[in-house]
Amino acid sequence: GAVVSQHPSRVICKSGTSVKIECRSLDFQATTMFWYRQFPKKSLMLMATSNEGSKATYEQGVEKDKFLINHASLTLSTLTVTSAHPEDSSFYICSARKARSGLDQPQHFGDGTRLSIL
Amino acid sequence: DAKTTQPPSMDCAEGRAANLPCNHSTISGNEYVYWYRQIHSQGPQYIIHGLKNNETNEMASLIITEDRKSSTLILPHATLRDTAVYYCIVRGQGAQKLVFGQGTRLTINP
Repeated sequence: GAVVSQHPSRVICKSGTSVKIECRSLDFQATTMFWYRQFPKKSLMLMATSNEGSKATYEQGVEKDKFLINHASLTLSTLTVTSAHPEDSSFYICSARKARSGLDQPQHFGDGTRLSIL
Repeated sequence: DAKTTQPPSMDCAEGRAANLPCNHSTISGNEYVYWYRQIHSQGPQYIIHGLKNNETNEMASLIITEDRKSSTLILPHATLRDTAVYYCIVRGQGAQKLVFGQGTRLTINP
């Protein structure tokens, strides 16, 4: 297998709160993980690429101070939504590729975190 | 990465083969074709990928035309649980990230 686990699966919190989402590769090491967000009835939008031991690479238009990414080990990346507001409510999904995998190897996705900011 | 074009929606009867087309006319020689699907409120699930040759696994078959400008994902015996949004993605050899289009919403009808 190639299992990616996300936690929590759902979170509801008040406006102004910071929320941390974890992404773990359970049975493989991942030097690179990816964070996506998805609005209702829309496709996935890549937010950032998380590299183990170095700074994340953010896509254009994504605020790096708003969405903090840490990839401290080969099996864990975290996304922190700082001072969340209702417009940050979304479905956040991570994915991972096996370390030292060939360029044709697929990414494996977690089951997502549904974030609702009141 | 090359852009892909998929029909927004398709229907298929349960037990029949579901054939999902994808156009990628600007694909270059070192770009792979990937297929993922997303069942409601879940993360995308990897299905299959290929470069030139047709591929088959326990989930599906991937047919790539000789000029590589289009491909078809085949679910041989569709079940109700195959209802999902199916994404066809072209990814370059040097690129790590996957860029999702709008996909095809496949509905399997009883």
